[in-house]
Amino acid sequence: QKEVEQDPGPLSVPEGAIVSLNCTYSNSAFQYFMWYRQYSRKGPELLMYTYSSGNKEDGRFTAQVDKSSKYISLFIRDSQPSDSATYLCAMSASGGSNYKLTFGKGTLLTVNP
Amino acid sequence: DGGITQSPKYLFRKEGQNVTLSCEQNLNHDAMYWYRQDPGQGLRLIYYSQIVNDFQKGDIAEGYSVSREKKESFPLTVTSAQKNPTAFYLCASSTPGAAGELFFGEGSRLTVL
Repeated sequence: QKEVEQDPGPLSVPEGAIVSLNCTYSNSAFQYFMWYRQYSRKGPELLMYTYSSGNKEDGRFTAQVDKSSKYISLFIRDSQPSDSATYLCAMSASGGSNYKLTFGKGTLLTVNP
Repeated sequence: DGGITQSPKYLFRKEGQNVTLSCEQNLNHDAMYWYRQDPGQGLRLIYYSQIVNDFQKGDIAEGYSVSREKKESFPLTVTSAQKNPTAFYLCASSTPGAAGELFFGEGSRLTVL
């Protein structure tokens, strides 16, 4: 079993839809959870960061971590065509060791006008 | 504007040639990283450096080399020993204590002809 599993999609939704993106993981030591957004032919940019379990909200984006199920989610409300990108989850057991980040393969999202 | 600059954006190489990808940052970050991204795969760490004049192998270092002579610069050489060098290469940097927050460049796409 891979450490981090992420459905690659592609996922296509109409504008205004609620989008749910998910990752599962096997390493129970993971405590730091990130979502990166990557536009085509660009580098990823950090979108959301969560420590341990719980929810975090930032505008239309909500990150959710369920450590008991080893499952993290990113919800996008009122999705816009500008949200079309690949979304990568990433996680780490140690906050001070960014070289130990484990990335998912990414989910390609298209929001249709 | 602060950021990470990678060059060239696109590069073509004949088999058997070495090629060097440039990465420069003006964020005053101590740590820098090189990742490789292939279709359908997550980001894989090639090399990282946490301080000037020191660097460590990542998960897929074979066929690559780096140097870190200046804080701002972390060039990656793809050598002829790398068996499958065609890929999208991403440079990133981070600051200590900023768990999971990597700043990425726009990437360099290398194609071996």
